[in-house]
Amino acid sequence: DAGVTQSPTHLIKTRGQQVTLRCSPKSGHDTVSWYQQALGQGPQFIFQYYEEEERQRGNFPDRFSGHQFPNYSSELNVNALLLGDSALYLCASSFGHEVGNEQFFGPGTRLTVL
Amino acid sequence: QQQVKQSPQSLIVQKGGISIINCAYENTAFDYFPWYQQFPGKGPALLIAIRPDVSEKKEGRFTISFNKSAKQFSLHIMDSQPGDSATYFCAAESSNDYKLSFGAGTTVTVRA
Repeated sequence: DAGVTQSPTHLIKTRGQQVTLRCSPKSGHDTVSWYQQALGQGPQFIFQYYEEEERQRGNFPDRFSGHQFPNYSSELNVNALLLGDSALYLCASSFGHEVGNEQFFGPGTRLTVL
Repeated sequence: QQQVKQSPQSLIVQKGGISIINCAYENTAFDYFPWYQQFPGKGPALLIAIRPDVSEKKEGRFTISFNKSAKQFSLHIMDSQPGDSATYFCAAESSNDYKLSFGAGTTVTVRA
């Protein structure tokens, strides 16, 4: 089992551009959550996908959007990039979306906005 | 607004010593309190978790103490080892919205 995988590992973009990050959940998992982790900070919840729908959303603007595919993989899209979007973006998967279901995190995608 | 406040920001402990990390929360709807361990270049990994109906949970050298009335919980790492050097995050989640809220993290360094 490869666990949660994310691509790409690193990405450099310029302000105003758009970016797409990808996540493949752990085998058997159907729920994917995305987090933004700024340097030296804890992860901040962006949103969660279950059954191909956004179920919960954190305090992030509409520039952040996502998608879940029938195979449970997911994408995070960020439009009109700002310097402040530079961070490590983490994907986590779980089986179901009840409280207490262990979330398994991928290694993250390091996004740098210049 | 950070819903879970974590302290200290960093700590150094000698091998064999005890590391203690504290967290506090305000949202009484939180009903699941996990701790995550993160190594450089890796994503966080679940270490141990507790529900508010128990005051303590122990797994190996790691213990969570939970004080519901004070809205505080802490992680104790006993017999700290160099391999425990990592960043530790407390977190909290509510059955109302299933959003996991993390503390700012504590970097633990264990000196051999």
